[in-house]
Amino acid sequence: GENVEQHPSTLSVQEGDSAVIKCTYSDSASNYFPWYKQELGKRPQLIIDIRSNVGEKKDQRIAVTLNKTAKHFSLHITETQPEDSAVYFCAARDYKLSFGAGTTVTVRA
Amino acid sequence: GAVVSQHPSWVICKSGTSVKIECRSLDFQATTMFWYRQFPKQSLMLMATSNEGSKATYEQGVEKDKFLINHASLTLSTLTVTSAHPEDSSFYICSAPDSATNEKLFFGSGTQLSVL
Repeated sequence: GENVEQHPSTLSVQEGDSAVIKCTYSDSASNYFPWYKQELGKRPQLIIDIRSNVGEKKDQRIAVTLNKTAKHFSLHITETQPEDSAVYFCAARDYKLSFGAGTTVTVRA
Repeated sequence: GAVVSQHPSWVICKSGTSVKIECRSLDFQATTMFWYRQFPKQSLMLMATSNEGSKATYEQGVEKDKFLINHASLTLSTLTVTSAHPEDSSFYICSAPDSATNEKLFFGSGTQLSVL
């Protein structure tokens, strides 16, 4: 089955700086890679996703890049704001969605 | 977007009792529902996949006799934690895939279970 590794586990950034979270996956058959943001006690919310036929996708301050050869994908948040503070999960899907361990992002005002 | 309604949002029960959690797709038909468990500060772990009209598929290590799943209709899936024990205390959350692409997941709001 798919194994998704996510780094770092915690990330503290100054407001306005960028945040980068990296994930690797093991199954070359995986073809869908979403990113979720989860606030404490709340449901995960999809913030961006990318499919295996695309190398990069951007939505305002959020971008995701995918390197299929290296089986890496990354989340980039620019101009971070305090409301970006949350736990972020990457995921990869072969026949089911497997989640990374999560990154706790803290944006310091 | 599609909405998955999950109830209850939190429940406290005594050890040895059973708890039922319901997930309903409100404006779409969910032939599949994924059930996850999330312990504090950990990731979402898939427990089982329920399919309308057939038996649920359980992930390795998940006791199917303890976590009963029923997908009674195209809009309702339930998870029953039987003979709950304190170690079953966790955040349980359901999700259904977007019926058009079968990719994007729509999550319920989650149920925080505390077993005393």
